[in-house]
Amino acid sequence: DSGVTQTPKHLITATGQRVTLRCSPRSGDLSVYWYQQSLDQGLQFLIQYYNGEERAKGNILERFSAQQFPDLHSELNLSSLELGDSALYFCASSVGTGFREQYFGPGTRLTVT
Amino acid sequence: AQSVTQPDIHITVSEGASLELRCNYSYGATPYLFWYVQSPGQGLQLLLKYFSGDTLVQGIKGFEAEFKRSQSSFNLRKPSVHWSDAAEYFCAVGASGGATNKLIFGTGTLLAVQP
Repeated sequence: DSGVTQTPKHLITATGQRVTLRCSPRSGDLSVYWYQQSLDQGLQFLIQYYNGEERAKGNILERFSAQQFPDLHSELNLSSLELGDSALYFCASSVGTGFREQYFGPGTRLTVT
Repeated sequence: AQSVTQPDIHITVSEGASLELRCNYSYGATPYLFWYVQSPGQGLQLLLKYFSGDTLVQGIKGFEAEFKRSQSSFNLRKPSVHWSDAAEYFCAVGASGGATNKLIFGTGTLLAVQP
């Protein structure tokens, strides 16, 4: 158990819908990262937050957005969903701003039908 | 641009045999290197990391990895594989630049263990 929690574990929804994925980082970790894992793209970095502020964006679509709340939990919002958005979405957390290892949550499996 | 290559998509070894999973990276500066393991339906578990210092690093579950700067490699090894090691293994480089410390992953190596 990494100490990172993600909900829900599974999510099935229809095209065009909007969903919210939730992540709670390890106790004491201020940085939260979101990654997408799909068969065709592999594991890709989406976005990073540090202590409530966006730090960097990776290959994140404009239909996707995220935020980190004062209690440090983070949410990833996916809207106007398409079949191709079906993937595993992982949250990871790390301490501080310098480079440290990232600990991953169990992931949310999103299926868009 | 930073990248990670895992040349072996799928490897099968017999239980008790030794294992080496290959990883090559491309990164301009001294890299931060990681190996993660993903069991079916599970998240990513950190096996080991290299930041600096001794180039042979020990990890959990009996794994070790060696950083070779001249070969831009960070291969993962285990002397005797157990059936429970069957999983997918990902090598990653930490790309620290600007405001982010994101991980760049290889495509993974799926390990099967024969009895």
